[in-house]
Amino acid sequence: DSGVTQTPKHLITATGQRVTLRCSPRSGDLSVYWYQQSLDQGLQFLIQYYNGEERAKGNILERFSAQQFPDLHSELNLSSLELGDSALYFCASSVGSGDRGIVTDTQYFGPGTRLTVL
Amino acid sequence: GENVEQHPSTLSVQEGDSAVIKCTYSDSASNYFPWYKQELGKRPQLIIDIRSNVGEKKDQRIAVTLNKTAKHFSLHITETQPEDSAVYFCAASPSGAGSYQLTFGKGTKLSVIP
Repeated sequence: DSGVTQTPKHLITATGQRVTLRCSPRSGDLSVYWYQQSLDQGLQFLIQYYNGEERAKGNILERFSAQQFPDLHSELNLSSLELGDSALYFCASSVGSGDRGIVTDTQYFGPGTRLTVL
Repeated sequence: GENVEQHPSTLSVQEGDSAVIKCTYSDSASNYFPWYKQELGKRPQLIIDIRSNVGEKKDQRIAVTLNKTAKHFSLHITETQPEDSAVYFCAASPSGAGSYQLTFGKGTKLSVIP
């Protein structure tokens, strides 16, 4: 167990719908990262938050958004869902800020949310 | 941005033999290289990592080597066991201010045959 929790474990929904995935980082971790894992694209970075602020964006669609709350949990919102959004969504957490000059922090992954869009 | 290539995509070895997985990266400013093991339907689990100020790191049967000049790094598993069967991902932390986002390779499916 990594200490990172994600809910729900499974989510089945229809095209055009909107869903929210939730992540709670390890105790003491300030950074949360979201990744999408699909069969054809592998593991891809979506977005990072540090202490409530967006820090970096990767291959995240405009239909997707995220936020990190004062208690440091994070939510990933996926809207206007398409069949191709079906994937495993992982969040990972690490201690630090990502500021340059600071040793890179190890990222620990949560169990993931499996999203199926029908 | 960073690009990580991983080879081979599948690897079968006999129990007790060694397995080697290789990755190359494109961004010379990348300085952190973790390896994750993922069993079917489960989360990626960190098994070993290396930073750019180190050329080699070992943890029991697992070792990682890094060649910064050639921009490649490798995972070595010795005395493989059936429980080593899984998908292994390499990753690199790219340059860019303020984030240590990981760029992953496509994965290697390792099968250890008893």
